[in-house]
Amino acid sequence: DIVMTQSPDSLAVSLGERATINCKSSQSLLSSNRNFLTWYQQKPGQPPKLLIYGASTRESGVPERFSGSGSGRDFTLTITSLQAEDVAVYYCLQTYSAPLTFGGGTKLEIK
Amino acid sequence: EVQLVESGGGLVQPGGSLRLSCAASGFSFSNNWMTWVRRAPGKGLEWVANIKQDGREKNYVDSVKGRFTISRDNTKNSLSLQMNSLRVEDTAVYYCAGGLGFTMSAWGQGTLVTVSS
Repeated sequence: DIVMTQSPDSLAVSLGERATINCKSSQSLLSSNRNFLTWYQQKPGQPPKLLIYGASTRESGVPERFSGSGSGRDFTLTITSLQAEDVAVYYCLQTYSAPLTFGGGTKLEIK
Repeated sequence: EVQLVESGGGLVQPGGSLRLSCAASGFSFSNNWMTWVRRAPGKGLEWVANIKQDGREKNYVDSVKGRFTISRDNTKNSLSLQMNSLRVEDTAVYYCAGGLGFTMSAWGQGTLVTVSS
């Protein structure tokens, strides 16, 4: 099974500042020039929400301050100009092969 | 509007069984992979199982293999998860989700399963 390691476990960032979350897979998620890596946001009491797929493609309706980057085994979710509504837990998920596996999650708070 | 609505959660004793259902509307159910994901109290998300559009391919996380069975009825836009031999560690909110390929773009609100004596 592919192991997904997220860092940090928690993060406190000031409003308007940048937040960066990292995700590393135990094997490459790159195939046919596509990275099988997605990012989700989960707020308390809500289901997860798809933010980014293919490592860098923003889902329709997701604000431009959310961006994904990386390839192969190393990936990053960046939130520029943090807003209060971005407080949540963020997860990476590999969709390269079953069983699909999530990272452990990063809890993002306001400093 | 896309709606996925889970039902069937509840309290069950260890070793017991439960069947979860997910009703889809406003969603191209028969064209999408469907998935169950869970979140145990105080823990992160865990992918549980998925099923291909035609129901011929199913995948499970190791911890539920042989105990859980995922199924779908495309005529009723319905997804199910039969859970047998339930353990305390199966306690979680179970989410139904779906999307193109393995990427889950639509999610239900979840149903709580509590396994306790």
